[in-house]
Amino acid sequence: KAGVTQTPRYLIKTRGQQVTLSCSPISGHRSVSWYQQTPGQGLQFLFEYFSETQRNKGNFPGRFSGRQFSNSRSEMNVSTLELGDSALYLCASSLEVTGHEQYFGPGTRLTVT
Amino acid sequence: KNEVEQSPQNLTAQEGEFITINCSYSVGISALHWLQQHPGGGIVSLFMLSSGKKKHGRLIATINIQEKHSSLHITASHPRDSAVYICAVRSRNQFYFGTGTSLTVIP
Repeated sequence: KAGVTQTPRYLIKTRGQQVTLSCSPISGHRSVSWYQQTPGQGLQFLFEYFSETQRNKGNFPGRFSGRQFSNSRSEMNVSTLELGDSALYLCASSLEVTGHEQYFGPGTRLTVT
Repeated sequence: KNEVEQSPQNLTAQEGEFITINCSYSVGISALHWLQQHPGGGIVSLFMLSSGKKKHGRLIATINIQEKHSSLHITASHPRDSAVYICAVRSRNQFYFGTGTSLTVIP
């Protein structure tokens, strides 16, 4: 079974631009979560989707948004990029929202200049 | 105040040593996860616990719900165990993460 895939793997953007990151979960997994990892803040929870609905959201500004499609693939969008948005963005998939292991993708490393 | 605290932050061990990493949390949880992150960023979920103890090979994870504490043990450590180990908890609708323990195992 293929693992979680994320595209692109690396991205360089300029302040003020917007970016869309993609995550394809393991086949059969219906829950996708997104996380941000920075050297200063560590890992932080962004949001969680299940069956095309956002179930939970972390403490991030509205510039961060996401969605999930009927095939469970998910995208996250960051608008009006700031230098502080430079981070490793990780997604993870699991069978259901709770009670199941999470499987992480390799991440997308975003650099904002 | 961090919802999840890990100790130690850094740990260096000789190959073969028994290693313990501790995690304390301050919120009610539905599950606790131990994650392993190697240089380059890839994260692997080692354990998901809601009670008791789990064992995978040389790794053992325990949790004490009453004391809000979990430990990750590595028996007979090996240089390939060198990584950052992260404790994470699911609480209501949120995930909280520890800052990680950087483990280096010297041959």
